[in-house]
Amino acid sequence: EVKLLESGGALVQAGESLRLSCAVSGFKLSDFAMSWARQAPGKGLEWISTISVSGGSRFYTQSAKGRFTISRDISQSMVYLQMSGLRGDDTAVYYCVQSQGYYDSFWGQGTLVTVSS
Amino acid sequence: SYVLTQAASVSVAPGQTAKITCGGPSIGSRGVHWYQQKPGQAPVLVIFYDSERPSGIPERFSGANSGDAATLTINRVEVGDEADYYCQVWDSSSVPRVFGGGTRLTVL
Repeated sequence: EVKLLESGGALVQAGESLRLSCAVSGFKLSDFAMSWARQAPGKGLEWISTISVSGGSRFYTQSAKGRFTISRDISQSMVYLQMSGLRGDDTAVYYCVQSQGYYDSFWGQGTLVTVSS
Repeated sequence: SYVLTQAASVSVAPGQTAKITCGGPSIGSRGVHWYQQKPGQAPVLVIFYDSERPSGIPERFSGANSGDAATLTINRVEVGDEADYYCQVWDSSSVPRVFGGGTRLTVL
C-alpha cells in the first residue's frame, strides 16, 4: 500500500525558512518522480515542484524558483521541500505527491504551513 | 501558460448523471487527468489520460476528451460522490502541471 506522510508544517513569520518532509512507503522512491503541491485556504490545487525519477532534474513553479528546493533521500525513503523567504501567500496545505509522468497517482494527507506577516 | 476552465459548481440528484467539464484550447490534443477531493481530505486520482480508471475507482466514473473540452461523467451519482473535482494537464511551458479551478459537485 502506497503511503505518503508529510510533516514539518508550522506557523512561521514572514521571511523565515521551513523544511517539509515526506516519508514514503509501499513503493521504491527510485522508481517514481515526486512532487509537492499546495492548496491555499478555500482555494484550488497548485503544483509547486517536481523531482525527476533519476533525481537529476528538478522543476519549480515560477513563485517557487529561487526560494524553494526539492530533494530526496532514497536510502531513507524521504522527500523534502526546503522553503525560504516565506510570504503570506505561501500559506497553504502542502501535499507530497507520487507522480507518474504527466499525472499524480497518490497524494499524502498534507501538512499546514501558515505564514504570519 | 495554459489555462483550464471549470464551472464553479454542479448539482445533481442522487441516481442521476453528473457531467463536469474542463475547457481549454485544443484540450483534446492533451491528456487530461481528474482528481476528486472530498472535504478535509487529500485529492484522489479518479481518471487519467482522458478515460483510464485507476484500480479501485468505480466504473460509474468515466471520462472523454475532444476539441476544446474534456468531460468527467459520474453515472448513478451517490451522496458519497459530493466533492470538488479538478482537471489537470501537462504543459510544456514554465508551469508543467496545470490544474483547473475545480468544480464542486453537490448531490441534492
